[in-house]
Amino acid sequence: QSVLTQPPSVSGALGQRVTISCTGSRSNIGAGFDVHWHQQLPGTAPKLLIYGNSNRPSGVPERFSGSKSGTSASLAITGLQADDEADYYCQSYDSSLSGYVFGGGTKLTVL
Amino acid sequence: EVQLVESGGGLVQPGGSLKLSCAASGFTFSGSALHWVRQASGKGLEWVGHIRNKANNYATAYAASVKGRFTISRDDSKNTAYLQMNSLKTEDTAVYYCIRQEYDGSFFDPWGQGTLVTVSS
Repeated sequence: QSVLTQPPSVSGALGQRVTISCTGSRSNIGAGFDVHWHQQLPGTAPKLLIYGNSNRPSGVPERFSGSKSGTSASLAITGLQADDEADYYCQSYDSSLSGYVFGGGTKLTVL
Repeated sequence: EVQLVESGGGLVQPGGSLKLSCAASGFTFSGSALHWVRQASGKGLEWVGHIRNKANNYATAYAASVKGRFTISRDDSKNTAYLQMNSLKTEDTAVYYCIRQEYDGSFFDPWGQGTLVTVSS
């Protein structure tokens, strides 16, 4: 069981908007540690998608956005495209574990 | 281009050992921390451990699942990090990725392409 909780799957139609939640606790997200999001396309290595809760690396479309509040964070994807189908992972640091933690991952299906 | 390339994966018997390498290029390797993350087939990402830079005394930290069996080291003169895995178990079977962390508390980027470790008799 992952320290950060994500829904196993989400789906949305082409062009629609979806959100993926990431729920933590007072020892990780709630302690103020940044949340980062990674995208893993089928058969490839993960890639940084959002860093520092809400920042996009160069080359990541504005359709992807992140937010954080309290002990949770969210990733929003607007204008869904077929090639957004991937697994998405949130990641942070946990002070109780003295280590880095990932969510269990969310599989996005574009209908 | 910032790049990390893992190597050294393969098939090993339970109880055996294996050493993975992570060769870096395109950035100031000596100033960065290096992390290892693994992914079993069809499963999620699991942080394995990391090694900090010289300024932080090359401090290491490990996940509970590998502590005492795995050791991370680095050779800044070769821009390479290593993951020594001992007393391997079948549940250690996974793709192992190395990732750069530019400074404490910052994000992981980029990821290497990964190397597959299979622990089986």
